[in-house]
This record gives sequence, structure tokens and C-alpha cells, in this order.
Amino acid sequence: AQSVAQPEDQVNVAEGNPLTVKCTYSVSGNPYLFWYVQYPNRGLQFLLKYITGDNLVKGSYGFEAEFNKSQTSFHLKKPSALVSDSALYFCAVRDSSNTGKLIFGQGTTLQVKP
Amino acid sequence: SAVISQKPSRDICQRGTSLTIQCQVDSQVTMMFWYRQQPGQSLTLIATANQGSEATYESGFVIDKFPISRPNLTFSTLTVSNMSPEDSSIYLCSVVIGALEQYFGPGTRLTVT
Repeated sequence: AQSVAQPEDQVNVAEGNPLTVKCTYSVSGNPYLFWYVQYPNRGLQFLLKYITGDNLVKGSYGFEAEFNKSQTSFHLKKPSALVSDSALYFCAVRDSSNTGKLIFGQGTTLQVKP
Repeated sequence: SAVISQKPSRDICQRGTSLTIQCQVDSQVTMMFWYRQQPGQSLTLIATANQGSEATYESGFVIDKFPISRPNLTFSTLTVSNMSPEDSSIYLCSVVIGALEQYFGPGTRLTVT
């Protein structure tokens, strides 16, 4: 069965420090991976995706993610965190049945402190 | 990307009643989905809204409880029927645009009392 795991419920980081939000996946076939962010009382905003090609994917708001096939991971990163990055982050994988639906991880709350 | 709107943005409903949520997209899309996000939880797919045919429901979701309409390629509705407090959630529609990117509406926050 396909699945996505985000092992950390919450990540705390000081403003200006690098941040990493972890994600591992389990799929059959080639993975199509996504990161979304949800601010309080808002919908989900697309950050970035990995389909194929370069393992380092750059996305919105200075975020990037590194695809690692051997470790089945797709960690979200940012070199310098901002207080405004504080939000709920979801990793997702596209279902391999080609129906377009996404399978989401449980989410990680990122708290950036001044 | 796509501009997706949902109505209502939030509602408080009494148990036993029904609520219909609308999702409007500013362009024609083939794939449209409805997700549920229960309090403090991740997103779970309810169904795929198919244009011109019956929706495809995920395990644990049934048409009698969550009837869906998709009359054209820019619009869909989700009805939450015979509501109970357990239906209190955020309901989000989403569409696939371009190279597999899926965009979400702002969500409808439903509270059932």
C-alpha cells in the first residue's frame, strides 16, 4: 500500500537558522511527490513537486526539497527560516493508480521563533 | 495555477440537517476532488468528482452521505447529509492543473452542533 510518513509532529527552529521537515514515502513505481503548506484558517498552498529529473527541487517562498530514492525520502528544506514560515506542512504522494488523487502525510507543524 | 472558490467559507449546522458546498474553478479542469480534514488531522480523499457521471468514492465514504454533482468542467458540489458532530471538518475541493500539480480551494469549515 502506498503511504507517506512525516515522523515529526512539530519542528522548532530559530529565525535565520536552516530548517528541515522530514518526509518518507512508500509507493509502487515512480513517485510523484509534493509539499503543501497550510496557514491557520487557510486552504492548502502548493509549494513544490518532484516528478523526475534533478533531485533538488526548488519551490515557492525559498523552499526546496531533496528527493532521495535510496532512502525513499523527500525532505523539505530552507536555508534561513522566517517567523512567517510558521505553519502546517504536508507531504503528499500521487496515487500510482493514475487517478490523480493524493495521499497525504499526517502533517508537521513548523514553529519558527524570533 | 487556478483560482478556486468555495461557498460557504464556514457554517454552523444542527445535527440531522444537510449542507451543500460549492466549488467553482476559473478554468475547465478534468480532475476534481473533494477532501475532508478533520480537526487536527491530515487530509482524506472523499471522492473524485467526474463530469457527466457518478462520483468515485473512496473506502469509507458513500454516496448517500456525501452526494456529489459535477454538471460541467468548472463546477462541483458536495453535500454533507444528515449531519452529526463527527462531520465537523474542513472540506476542500481540489483540481489538477498542468503537469500533475493539484491546487486546493480555501476550504469550507463546518461545525455541527
